[in-house]
Amino acid sequence: GAGVSQSPRYKVAKRGQDVALRCDPISGHVSLFWYQQALGQGPEFLTYFQNEAQLDKSGLPSDRFFAERPEGSVSTLKIQRTQQEDSAVYLCASSLTTYTDTQYFGPGTRLTVL
Amino acid sequence: ELKVEQNPLFLSMQEGKNYTIYCNYSTTSDRLYWYRQDPGKSLESLFVLLSNGAVKQEGRLMASLDTKARLSTLHITAAVHDLSATYFCAVDRSGNTGKLIFGQGTTLQVKP
Repeated sequence: GAGVSQSPRYKVAKRGQDVALRCDPISGHVSLFWYQQALGQGPEFLTYFQNEAQLDKSGLPSDRFFAERPEGSVSTLKIQRTQQEDSAVYLCASSLTTYTDTQYFGPGTRLTVL
Repeated sequence: ELKVEQNPLFLSMQEGKNYTIYCNYSTTSDRLYWYRQDPGKSLESLFVLLSNGAVKQEGRLMASLDTKARLSTLHITAAVHDLSATYFCAVDRSGNTGKLIFGQGTTLQVKP
């Protein structure tokens, strides 16, 4: 595709529900990143994949957050038992080869937990 | 812990004026990025600065990097309304991960 795509663009969940957010990186991009952006703040790193390998998950805020990229392309960020503090925009980014390349960001998924 | 601070956080300026946004970071870094974000939109890459003294220019925007001072600047020349957006700098920690640490963002409002 022409750019990074994410779905859904908006998600409203009741507290305690599980959600799954999808990211389709730019075709051929090896590296994939997830960030969380709270309102009025800069994005905060969550996790990084190189192909299917999750090389860094240091930013995941709790064990309720889980990310996977089983075939080295599409990635899913899952949040279990959502809490109000999980409300944010979740951004996915991909880069061509290694972590040194420019990261291209998707439009984000705005999650609202009621 | 690496920290990235931008100032100012909000900037209102008249068209045609010049101004500079500052980005300070606390530890050594290999790369510094500038991104633009329009309201409700995602981040658009503007510049990647890879070495001390690096300077890059695109249109009315010019970015520079001083690794010794741990400072990057984004200079706006003769601002126009289309430049209204939030600008983020981000630093990539040394190491084998692309973990970007972002500043708080500078919201630029250019008035006619």
